Amino acid sequence: EPEVTQTPSHQVTQMGQEVILRCVPISNHLYFYWYRQILGQKVEFLVSFYNNEISEKSEIFDDQFSVERPDGSNFTLKIRSTKLEDSAMYFCASTLNHEQFFGPGTRLTVL
Amino acid sequence: SQQGEEDPQALSIQEGENATMNCSYKTSINNLQWYRQNSGRGLVHLILIRSNEREKHSGRLRVTLDTSKKSSSLLITASRAADTASYFCATVPSGNTPLVFGKGTRLSVIA
Repeated sequence: EPEVTQTPSHQVTQMGQEVILRCVPISNHLYFYWYRQILGQKVEFLVSFYNNEISEKSEIFDDQFSVERPDGSNFTLKIRSTKLEDSAMYFCASTLNHEQFFGPGTRLTVL
Repeated sequence: SQQGEEDPQALSIQEGENATMNCSYKTSINNLQWYRQNSGRGLVHLILIRSNEREKHSGRLRVTLDTSKKSSSLLITASRAADTASYFCATVPSGNTPLVFGKGTRLSVIA
């Protein structure tokens, strides 16, 4: 069964460093999303991507964040200069028809 | 505004019992989805119910939707220890817009 994959599963970085989180959505899906979940809190929407551009973004998704679909398969989230409060699980999701399929997540720890 | 608020926040039952979790939301929706999350892990899609549907079944899961009350319930019958997880409802306002998650219900099934 096709699934969304994410790498790495765990990323540890120093405050101020750039990180790139990678996702490979399901191949025939058209919409892509990034969500994050701070430990013990609810899942929050960051950004959605369709037709090679951002279709919607939340207040969390400020200038420190960017997304890219550099080729036909990968979908990346970049955090330019990480802060302590960026520590969270980051989930990628993709969908064709409303049902969103989530990847296993990347746990980002900012020290 | 908050969407998809689940209650109870935590639920502890004996194996074999049924577990019912409720979700309320505030604005109109295209569909509502339930997800499961084991501690520190990814989100597993359980079931999607569209706004024109009232009830849906999948194995031991039964979901109801009452759009007049803006509420949904998830029933897990004959619970097992492996059902221990957090359960989230997530609403989709329209089309392929992002999911709006609630804070979840932590279910503990005691063997």
